[in-house]
Amino acid sequence: SYVLTQPPSVSVAPGKTARITCGGNNIGSKSVHWYQQKPGQAPVLVIYYDSDRPSGIPERFSGSNSGNTATLTISRVEAGDEADYYCQVWDSSSDPFYVFGTGTKVTVL
Amino acid sequence: EVQLVESGGGLVQPGGSLRLSCAASGFTFSSYWMSWVRQAPGKGLEWVANIKQDGSEKYYVDSVKGRFTISRDNAKNSLYLQMNSLRAEDTAVYYCARDLTPFIAVAGTPLDYWGQGTLVTVSS
Repeated sequence: SYVLTQPPSVSVAPGKTARITCGGNNIGSKSVHWYQQKPGQAPVLVIYYDSDRPSGIPERFSGSNSGNTATLTISRVEAGDEADYYCQVWDSSSDPFYVFGTGTKVTVL
Repeated sequence: EVQLVESGGGLVQPGGSLRLSCAASGFTFSSYWMSWVRQAPGKGLEWVANIKQDGSEKYYVDSVKGRFTISRDNAKNSLYLQMNSLRAEDTAVYYCARDLTPFIAVAGTPLDYWGQGTLVTVSS
């Protein structure tokens, strides 16, 4: 099965930039989506198809994908960005088809 | 406003069965692939199953094949997950989620709307 590896945690000061990586074999050839999940809440799609933002998601959220690493970047971090973040790809040759990353806890200092 | 509301969770003994439901509103349900995704307590997200707009294609994660069945009733705007032979490791919050893109023939678009989830606990 296809594996997506994320750092367990990232800490960032308010106003600074947080970068969350998602590693996978040749992930640059796949479309990567990112979800934000706050405690007790359902996940929210924040980036799709590597770098597109759904309506209502601040421009501070951006994404990139190349080689073996995809990255979610949160600029000018706010306290409200504290959450778990998951990357995800679709791989019809894998089990499961929808593959989620291991998740990264973003802590705002 | 798009809404997905899950129900049917609860406490069940190992080997038991449970049927989850997801009531959809605010969009044309019959136009979208739909998925079930679960999250064990304190753990990450795991996709469980999905179903095509007309129910003609269904896919499952290996760990639930032969035990879980996904289905839908487009007339009732509802998604279901029949869970049989439940195990302790099936304990999780189960979310229903909608694919981003309507009318698409193949699965795999991102999941843009999620319900609030329903908790399934498998324990004796």
